[in-house]
Amino acid sequence: DTVLTQSPALAVSPGERVSISCRASEGVNSYMHWYQQKPGQQPKLLIYKASNLASGVPARFSGSGSGTDFTLTIDPVEADDTATYFCQQSWNDALTFGSGTKLEIK
Amino acid sequence: EVQLVESGGGLVQPGRSLKLSCAASGFTFSNYYMAWVRQAPKKGLEWVATISTSGSRTYYPDSVKGRFTISRDNAKSSLYLQMNSLKSEDTATYYCARHGTTVVTRWFAYWGQGTLVTVSS
Repeated sequence: DTVLTQSPALAVSPGERVSISCRASEGVNSYMHWYQQKPGQQPKLLIYKASNLASGVPARFSGSGSGTDFTLTIDPVEADDTATYFCQQSWNDALTFGSGTKLEIK
Repeated sequence: EVQLVESGGGLVQPGRSLKLSCAASGFTFSNYYMAWVRQAPKKGLEWVATISTSGSRTYYPDSVKGRFTISRDNAKSSLYLQMNSLKSEDTATYYCARHGTTVVTRWFAYWGQGTLVTVSS
């Protein structure tokens, strides 16, 4: 299965720009997607196919990358962005998620 | 508004079975691939199963293949997950989720609130 590697945690101040990375163990073309999960809630789709903004998601969120290296960027960060962010690939039959990056807003 | 409402979770003994249901509304259910995703307490997300629009094709990870069965009833706009031979490591919140309309659109566009399954003696 394709393993997705994310850094475990990040801390930034409001108004800053933050980049969250996801590295795939093999190429996944552009089939990488990003989710936000706040405590006690279900995940929410932010970005699909690497760079497409999901419906209703603020333009502060953006995605980039292809192949094995992908990035979710939030600019500027707001206090409400405190959450865990997961990447997920759908290039292979076995869908896999990254372990998540917990974002703390200072 | 898309709504996905799971039910059927609870406490079950190891080796026993449980069936989860998901009631969908706010969209044409029969047009979309559907899926189950689980999350163990304080852990990450794990894909559990996907089913095609007609139900003719199903997909599972090795961790549940042969034990879990996903199915759907398009007339009732409902999705199901039959879980057999349950193990303690199946303890998790199970989310019903909607994919896109084809096999190449297998991101999870909408999620339910989840139902908790606890496998313990």
